[in-house]
Amino acid sequence: DIQMTQSPSSLSASVGDRVTITCRASQSISISLNWYQQKPGKAPKSLIYDTSSLQSGVPSRFSGSGSGTDFTLTISSLQPEDFATYYCQQSFSTPFTFGPGTKVDIK
Amino acid sequence: EVQLVESGGGLVQPGGSLRLSCAASGFTFSSYDMNWVRQAPGKGLEWVSYISSSGSTIYYADSVKGRLTISRDNVKNSLYLQMNSLRDEDTAVYYCARSVSYYYGMDVWGQGTTVTVSS
Repeated sequence: DIQMTQSPSSLSASVGDRVTITCRASQSISISLNWYQQKPGKAPKSLIYDTSSLQSGVPSRFSGSGSGTDFTLTISSLQPEDFATYYCQQSFSTPFTFGPGTKVDIK
Repeated sequence: EVQLVESGGGLVQPGGSLRLSCAASGFTFSSYDMNWVRQAPGKGLEWVSYISSSGSTIYYADSVKGRLTISRDNVKNSLYLQMNSLRDEDTAVYYCARSVSYYYGMDVWGQGTTVTVSS
């Protein structure tokens, strides 16, 4: 199985900050990497698929990059509604695996 | 509006059974692959099962293989998860989620249904 790790596990940031979250796969997954945002008590929301493709309706301050085993999610200017937990997930092979999540909270 | 609505969750004893349903609307259900993903209380997301648009290809997580069965009815626009031999560790919120294809992740999620396995 492909293991996914994320760093940091949590971070504190201010509105307007640039935030970067890293995701690493235990083996190459090409660009089959997706990012989700989840707020407490809510279902996950898809942000990015295929490493860097933005889902419809997702603000352009979100971006993704990487390939192989190393990937990043960047929020260029953090907004109040962005405080949430972010998960990466590989869809290269089953079992599809998620990272443990990165919680972004208010500094 | 594209929508997925889960139902069927509840309290069940260890060893018991439950059937979850996911009703799809606002899109051509038969054109999309589907998944079940769960989240134990206070924990992260765990993929459970995948079914292709036609139902011909199915995958399971090792943790549920042989106990949970995914299926779909493209006439009724519905996805199902038959859960047998339930264990305490199956306690979670269960989400159904749509995939454009195998490689593209899950773009639409339902609101989830809660399954509690306890005596």
